[in-house]
Amino acid sequence: SQQGEEDPQALSIQEGENATMNCSYKTSINNLQWYRQNSGRGLVHLILIRSNEREKHSGRLRVTLDTSKKSSSLLITASRAADTASYFCATVARGNFNKFYFGSGTKLNVKP
Amino acid sequence: EAEVAQSPRYKITEKSQAVAFWCDPISGHATLYWYRQILGQGPELLVQFQDESVVDDSQLPKDRFSAERLKGVDSTLKIQPAELGDSAMYLCASSSSGPSYNEQFFGPGTRLTVL
Repeated sequence: SQQGEEDPQALSIQEGENATMNCSYKTSINNLQWYRQNSGRGLVHLILIRSNEREKHSGRLRVTLDTSKKSSSLLITASRAADTASYFCATVARGNFNKFYFGSGTKLNVKP
Repeated sequence: EAEVAQSPRYKITEKSQAVAFWCDPISGHATLYWYRQILGQGPELLVQFQDESVVDDSQLPKDRFSAERLKGVDSTLKIQPAELGDSAMYLCASSSSGPSYNEQFFGPGTRLTVL
């Protein structure tokens, strides 16, 4: 299966701490994206990193990609209670036009 | 800001009944996706449309599920008959056409409960 797997499955931290989530996948990708889902809602796109990129930043988010290890990480710095949500990585495989494979997600709880 | 619309937001039905979900993607988005998300898991692709054509329905249980996008705009996903195991969130998403660098925009989902 192409599907990515996030690690850890659940993470609980205090407000102000950093949160790191990891994603591993199995086959060659075109790009990898991270999405956020608040409880009972749809997913929201956070950041995209292409296969030829190694690191990308967006506000308090930092994403890294290691294609040799087929893994990515999402770092949220200075977390806030409002960051509490589930985070999913999605891979877009080479040659699969616009087809996304989602992982099982990391459930982040940021305690105020 | 343009959004993906879905209805209904919640649906409770009894097993063996028929249910239908509707999705209206962002205007101009050629690609439309239907996903099923079981609680605690990631979204699983059921069907992908490019305009009015199905480009991937390999994970769609075709004995009971059907999907259409007749004019290449809005779409309907139907389940008949519904089974207990169909209880899940059904998410619709859309993306613009072109190279597969584009993000997906998700609707709020339809939460289905089969009793």
